[in-house]
Amino acid sequence: AAGVIQSPRHLIKEKRETATLKCYPIPRHDTVYWYQQGPGQDPQFLISFYEKMQSDKGSIPDRFSAQQFSDYHSELNMSSLELGDSALYFCASSGTNARDRGRYEQYFGPGTRLTVT
Amino acid sequence: AQSVTQLDSHVSVSEGTPVLLRCNYSSSYSPSLFWYVQHPNKGLQLLLKYTSAATLVKGINGFEAEFKKSETSFHLTKPSAHMSDAAEYFCVVSDSATGTASKLTFGTGTRLQVTL
Repeated sequence: AAGVIQSPRHLIKEKRETATLKCYPIPRHDTVYWYQQGPGQDPQFLISFYEKMQSDKGSIPDRFSAQQFSDYHSELNMSSLELGDSALYFCASSGTNARDRGRYEQYFGPGTRLTVT
Repeated sequence: AQSVTQLDSHVSVSEGTPVLLRCNYSSSYSPSLFWYVQHPNKGLQLLLKYTSAATLVKGINGFEAEFKKSETSFHLTKPSAHMSDAAEYFCVVSDSATGTASKLTFGTGTRLQVTL
């Protein structure tokens, strides 16, 4: 079965550079979530999109932005990178209906490991 | 606000013995609860989920969990540990009553070590 695809898998950037992470959800999934997992930490929710509209926002820095496109893939744009942005970034997707969205499990991609030097 | 507390940061068991990973939740609404597993340098895999159906939930790889509302618990168990079960386990809650695409809130994780 098709899974969530993330690219790139690994990314090395220098401080103050920008990075773009991409996420391709499971076919027919309409909701995308982004999470950040720092070293030895649990994943923290950043932002989510439902039907190309932002649906929820977590602890996402103002330097980061994201969007979901018409084909449902999503991109996380990160600017003015800092050393503390080094982390594993997960994208997850879910298929939902309008009434009961929380009851559908999220399927995670393999993650993008971002290293800022 | 919703949250989960994993009571043990590290659990060590011998291969072939039972596994118990403890989780307590706090939620203002009827929660959806999940257990995810993360092997070293790997992504997050869903083990099982509770979404207000049967309180005893069976998952993959022989794992199961029981939702106990009176104790606000959702402990993960397995009758017999295998070496391949060694990983980080996350108890996760989703507030399903908000009417929006529901973010997941993770516990701090329990590292399961399996010894010979």
